[in-house]
Order: sequence, then C-alpha cells, then structure tokens
Amino acid sequence: GAVVSQHPSRVICKSGTSVKIECRSLDFQATTMFWYRQFPKQSLMLMATSNEGSKATYEQGVEKDKFLINHASLTLSTLTVTSAHPEDSSFYICSARGQYNEQFFGPGTRLTVL
Amino acid sequence: GESVGLHLPTLSVQEGDNSIINCAYSNSASDYFIWYKQESGKGPQFIIDIRSNMDKRQGQRVTVLLNKTVKHLSLQIAATQPGDSAVYFCPGGPRYGNKLVFGAGTILRVKS
Repeated sequence: GAVVSQHPSRVICKSGTSVKIECRSLDFQATTMFWYRQFPKQSLMLMATSNEGSKATYEQGVEKDKFLINHASLTLSTLTVTSAHPEDSSFYICSARGQYNEQFFGPGTRLTVL
Repeated sequence: GESVGLHLPTLSVQEGDNSIINCAYSNSASDYFIWYKQESGKGPQFIIDIRSNMDKRQGQRVTVLLNKTVKHLSLQIAATQPGDSAVYFCPGGPRYGNKLVFGAGTILRVKS
C-alpha cells in the first residue's frame, strides 16, 4: 500500500514554455501533499505544501506565481512550472502524507529546460 | 525550509558488514523521525520511523536508535548488501505537524 505516482517521469521542454507534473496517491487519500525539488548530490528542498481544496502554502523564496499548485482531489496534486527557464531544470519530487505524518514519495520527475 | 545544499558525507562499508549511519537534529520540537533511502534517480523510500517516546525500534535488518538527550539518531543496517547503496535521509518533525525537515543525507557505498 501507500503508493504515490508521478507523471511524467522525464520531460524536456523549451525555455518559456509551461510544464505540468502530476502527483497521485494510488491506494489512499491524501489531504496533504508536498512538492520538493532536488539538485544533484543535494538534499530535498521543500517548495510547498499542497492542501486539498485550499491554496498551497509556499516556502520562503519559492515564487507562487511561477510554481502553480493545484490539489483538486484527495488523490491528485499538480505542479505547473510556468515560463520555464534552464535554471528550473531539476528533479521534482512529490509526497503524500499518511495518517501518522509519514510521507510517501513519488518516483520523481526529471525536468530539463533547454 | 532547512534543507541545505551541501555535498553529502559518504560511508563506505564492505558487503556483509554492519553499517551505522548517524544523524543529528537541532529542533527540540521534533518528536517523530523517519529514515528514508534514496537510490539514484528515484524518490525516497520509507525504511523505518520512530517516535520520541521510544529509544529503539527494529525492522527487517534495520534498527533505529534515538538519543533525545544529545539530539542524535542512528540507523543500523545488518549484513549490508550492494542493494543498500543509496543516500539516506533522516527528516524529523512534530508528531502531528505538517512538515518534515530534510537535512543533508549520507551516501552509503557498499563494496563487494
């Protein structure tokens, strides 16, 4: 149980375009999901907390207008990177919170902006 | 967040030996900790968790020890295997809080 999926696993896009990443909890409902980004050989950096039916809470320094988060259902949260630039290239990982505050992570999405 | 952009420390062990990965935390309010394993190109995988009312918890081939006095926890892996090679993280947070704080992880390399 407690499986989280992400789609797509890899995406390459041109600078200036927008990219949407989906995060789904497959066998449980998640009122709270989290979005992280990770640069090579570094730790996970929390970007925002996504709450079903309400606005996301962004961490300091994360632009909410650039990283749009929508949590429209108990099993789906989406992250849209708007007007992507090469510096947005990173590994984006989502997680869904379980009943004991543990987090179950998705497999990640590798974004490359050319 | 409190995640840091540092190069990760590395622990090299021989296959079959036991591994001990250490983790320090600074927030006294943290009372719930999880060990995650992250293989290259993948998301973190849950290994084991521990709450602050416990000093020790055992799983399959793994043991987590928590020392609240010095704000330190460790993950012991018995009979380390090549498949254990990964980066290990020990985020913590309030038991009923909303966020886990990830610090720098530790790279475990298993030599055959």
